[in-house]
Amino acid sequence: GAGVSQSPSNKVTEKGKDVELRCDPISGHTALYWYRQSLGQGLEFLIYFQGNSAPDKSGLPSDRFSAERTGGSVSTLTIQRTQQEDSAVYLCASSWDREKAFFGQGTRLTVV
Amino acid sequence: QKEVEQNSGPLSVPEGAIASLNCTYSDRGSQSFFWYRQYSGKSPELIMFIYSNGDKEDGRFTAQLNKASQYVSLLIRDSQPSDSATYLCAVKRAGGFKTIFGAGTRLFVKA
Repeated sequence: GAGVSQSPSNKVTEKGKDVELRCDPISGHTALYWYRQSLGQGLEFLIYFQGNSAPDKSGLPSDRFSAERTGGSVSTLTIQRTQQEDSAVYLCASSWDREKAFFGQGTRLTVV
Repeated sequence: QKEVEQNSGPLSVPEGAIASLNCTYSDRGSQSFFWYRQYSGKSPELIMFIYSNGDKEDGRFTAQLNKASQYVSLLIRDSQPSDSATYLCAVKRAGGFKTIFGAGTRLFVKA
């Protein structure tokens, strides 16, 4: 596609429910990143994919968070048993050179 | 100490002035340096990158890097109201996977 596409754009969920966030990177970009941005804060790194493997998942906050990437393309970030502190904008980015990142519009997650 | 530090601002400059945004980083192994612009409610957009000491100019933007001082800056000449945004400094370690972002500096350009 022309850009990084994320869905849904907004998600409101009840505390304790599981959510899945989807990212469709720019075609041909082998590197894919997930970041989280809380209100008024900078970007917090979550996980990096090169192809389908995740050599750096050091930013995942807890074992409630997991991510996968299939076919070297689409990635899903899953948050189990959501908590209110998980509320944030989840941003996906892709890159062809592991340097310059192109971001999607993000998924705004609200846990109530 | 945060890995990437920026003054949160807001930095307010009049239209037509030079806006100077500063960033320091702690990891001496950092090799790649980026400036992203983020409009309110939007996602970050890459506007400049620099790898070598010195200045790099692109239109109204100049990135400056001083590895010895672990300092990177962004100058915006002839600032316009449309430049009003949060500017995120980001660094990446040589051979590393992740890019570390600062919390950003809010810039207001007054017409």
